[in-house]
Amino acid sequence: DGGITQSPKYLFRKEGQNVTLSCEQNLNHDAMYWYRQDPGQGLRLIYYSQIVNDFQKGDIAEGYSVSREKKESFPLTVTSAQKNPTAFYLCASSIPATYNEQFFGPGTRLTVL
Amino acid sequence: AQTVTQSQPEMSVQEAETVTLSCTYDTSESDYYLFWYKQPPSRQMILVIRQEAYKQQNATENRFSVNFQKAAKSFSLKISDSQLGDAAMYFCASPQMSGGGADGLTFGKGTHLIIQP
Repeated sequence: DGGITQSPKYLFRKEGQNVTLSCEQNLNHDAMYWYRQDPGQGLRLIYYSQIVNDFQKGDIAEGYSVSREKKESFPLTVTSAQKNPTAFYLCASSIPATYNEQFFGPGTRLTVL
Repeated sequence: AQTVTQSQPEMSVQEAETVTLSCTYDTSESDYYLFWYKQPPSRQMILVIRQEAYKQQNATENRFSVNFQKAAKSFSLKISDSQLGDAAMYFCASPQMSGGGADGLTFGKGTHLIIQP
């Protein structure tokens, strides 16, 4: 079955550590996205990539980094520079056109201890 | 920048009744698309319905329909014959657009829909 997988489902991090969240898709989509969701908030865009080896900052990119070396994969690194990283992180993919829906993964819950 | 506003943090409806969730947005684009997503307790985001702004006709998907008022920049979601499985957070979303292509979505803060049996 085609879809998007994110791992791990839950992640705990000590302050000062970098952590990487995995996102893989087998939908053959060119575009991939990372969103952050906080309680009582909608989703906010962190980074996106419309093609391999290219990515763009979203609304809240500070303290995060990404790579897009393969079409299927778009990992997100939460660095120690991110001051409040505890949140729910969602990865999505789409055919890159404004009328196309985005398909979402199941999410990763990151907690900083 | 795009903004999307959902003014109802929480709504409650009796099972089998109809409920309308409100959404307003701001965009400088002439052609655009609007989306409603559902997030049940599993937290999986699911597309409910999509509206193309240049189409006069309101979109409909089974029990879900929209009331799209382009001049007022309003995009409300109507759920008819509400079912227990409709209980979820509902998010209105608009694409961020620059130079074509999909640059991500701007989401409202969501409406928590409660279905009372």
